[in-house]
Amino acid sequence: EDQVTQSPEALRLQEGESSSLNCSYTVSGLRGLFWYRQDPGKGPEFLFTLYSAGEEKEKERLKATLTKKESFLHITAPKPEDSATYLCAVQYYGGATNKLIFGTGTLLAVQP
Amino acid sequence: EPEVTQTPSHQVTQMGQEVILRCVPISNHLYFYWYRQILGQKVEFLVSFYNNEISEKSEIFDDQFSVERPDGSNFTLKIRSTKLEDSAMYFCASRKSTSGQETQYFGPGTRLLVL
Repeated sequence: EDQVTQSPEALRLQEGESSSLNCSYTVSGLRGLFWYRQDPGKGPEFLFTLYSAGEEKEKERLKATLTKKESFLHITAPKPEDSATYLCAVQYYGGATNKLIFGTGTLLAVQP
Repeated sequence: EPEVTQTPSHQVTQMGQEVILRCVPISNHLYFYWYRQILGQKVEFLVSFYNNEISEKSEIFDDQFSVERPDGSNFTLKIRSTKLEDSAMYFCASRKSTSGQETQYFGPGTRLLVL
């Protein structure tokens, strides 16, 4: 069964304390891996798309990387406004319409 | 910047009633999706829609659910007879048709509460 697993479930950081979030996947034939940010009561906000192993994308304090089995979201010198749930989702070849399979997310809290 | 919009933001209904959730996808997008998120759980795929027909649907999307694109801009999800377990956030998403443009953009969601 295709699965997406995110760890840790929750992470508390001090402002400026860098860390990484993990997303491991077991889909057969990855088409794309996506990172979203979700604030409470809001819709997922797109951050990055990664298509192939070795690919990296960067935006402000965030950097996403991809291997053949997992992806990391690195957060450098986080600020309190980075507090949110970070969702990982995958698409796989063979699906009819590129539906997304989501992980359960990592709840990040950055304290000042 | 173009964005997906959804109405209403909140909907409270009685069990057994019909509800219609509305979405306006990004204007040049051709693939449309509905997802739902039960409180505290992961986002789950419901249905995808392309060229005025359903392309794929999940096990959740049973005969009580239907989707429609009634005009050139709106995309709707109808639940004919709501159940308590339909209470969730419902998200609409859309994406371009261009190969290599796989990213789905999500709306802010409709919070549905069935009493």
